[in-house]
Amino acid sequence: EDQVTQSPEALRLQEGESSSLNCSYTVSGLRGLFWYRQDPGKGPEFLFTLYSAGEEKEKERLKATLTKKESFLHITAPKPEDSATYLCAVQAWGAQKLVFGQGTRLTINP
Amino acid sequence: KAGVTQTPRYLIKTRGQQVTLSCSPISGHRSVSWYQQTPGQGLQFLFEYFSETQRNKGNFPGRFSGRQFSNSRSEMNVSTLELGDSALYLCASSLVTSGGYEQYFGPGTRLTVT
Repeated sequence: EDQVTQSPEALRLQEGESSSLNCSYTVSGLRGLFWYRQDPGKGPEFLFTLYSAGEEKEKERLKATLTKKESFLHITAPKPEDSATYLCAVQAWGAQKLVFGQGTRLTINP
Repeated sequence: KAGVTQTPRYLIKTRGQQVTLSCSPISGHRSVSWYQQTPGQGLQFLFEYFSETQRNKGNFPGRFSGRQFSNSRSEMNVSTLELGDSALYLCASSLVTSGGYEQYFGPGTRLTVT
């Protein structure tokens, strides 16, 4: 069964303090690994799709990387507006569904 | 380009009633998926439709059903509501391009069952 585990569950940083969020996964055959940002009361906002080990993608202060067993979301010099829950999900080949982790709740203090 | 839209945004129903939620995908997207999000279980897949056909179904009871219309709009129905059905119901539309696969979510419908 496909499974995604995210750590830590919650992370509190000072503005400008860089860190990384972890997403460990097991999947029968990885079609794609997805990162989303979700603000309270809203739907998840698409950030990245990664497809193969070694791939990296960047967007503003965020960089996502992928290995065969895990993905990291690196956040550089974060700002308070980066506070949100970050969700990781995997999609297996032949499946339409995304399997989500429980998310990491990130808080950036000014 | 307009994003995924869902109506209604909020709904309060009584146990035993039924409810229908609506989703309009991004223009040009033919695949629509539904998810249930709760604090305890997180995001869980309900079903996916493509060209009016259900291709995938998650592990939910038969009280949860859906359909897709020829214009790709989709509805999901929950019959005989239970307290545990209180959740944020999210619709997502997907597109496969030469660059890969992306799935975009709508704002959700917050269903409260009393």
